[in-house]
Amino acid sequence: NAGVTQTPKFQVLKTGQSMTLQCAQDMNHEYMSWYRQDPGMGLRLIHYSVGAGITDQGEVPNGYNVSRSTTEDFPLRLLSAAPSQTSVYFCASSSDPLRRTQETQYFGPGTRLLVL
Amino acid sequence: KQEVTQIPAALSVPEGENLVLNCSFTDSAIYNLQWFRQDPGKGLTSLLLIQSSQREQTSGRLNASLDKSSGRSTLYIAASQPGDSATYLCAVEGNTPLVFGKGTRLSVIA
Repeated sequence: NAGVTQTPKFQVLKTGQSMTLQCAQDMNHEYMSWYRQDPGMGLRLIHYSVGAGITDQGEVPNGYNVSRSTTEDFPLRLLSAAPSQTSVYFCASSSDPLRRTQETQYFGPGTRLLVL
Repeated sequence: KQEVTQIPAALSVPEGENLVLNCSFTDSAIYNLQWFRQDPGKGLTSLLLIQSSQREQTSGRLNASLDKSSGRSTLYIAASQPGDSATYLCAVEGNTPLVFGKGTRLSVIA
């Protein structure tokens, strides 16, 4: 298994540009989520999904869109990038959509985004 | 709103020393508490997961305890090694998905 994969690894955008961060997992996990990690702020949840066709907002959803058309993929879209979105983005997945068991979450390697 | 605090923010110890990392959370209505390790420029690796009904979990030289009623957890690392140098993150899961602390940056000096 490749686990959780994220592309690209690094991206530079200009303010106002749009882009999609890709996340895929090959473990048939129902639960997937996106976090951003900023210095001094820790990891904060952006959006999450408990299954195909179901998404919900996390702590910091503004400026981001998600969709979940398949179990494997959970892309994160930035509609109009802002410097405040400069961050490291992590995607994670788990087999337990209710998050009530011993199953942990598996994290991807991250995407570093710089918005100028 | 759940808040997770980790103390200390940074820690430097000589190789071989036993050490304790602390985590506290404000809302005791959790399903589980997890400890992760993050190496510089890398993703997160799960170390231990303690369900709310459990008191502790052990993996090798790592032992994590949970006192849900007081909102506290500790991660005990025995006989520390330079390879243990990393940032350790505590996270709790309740009615909201994982809420993370800001981490403890550990340096083990050979």
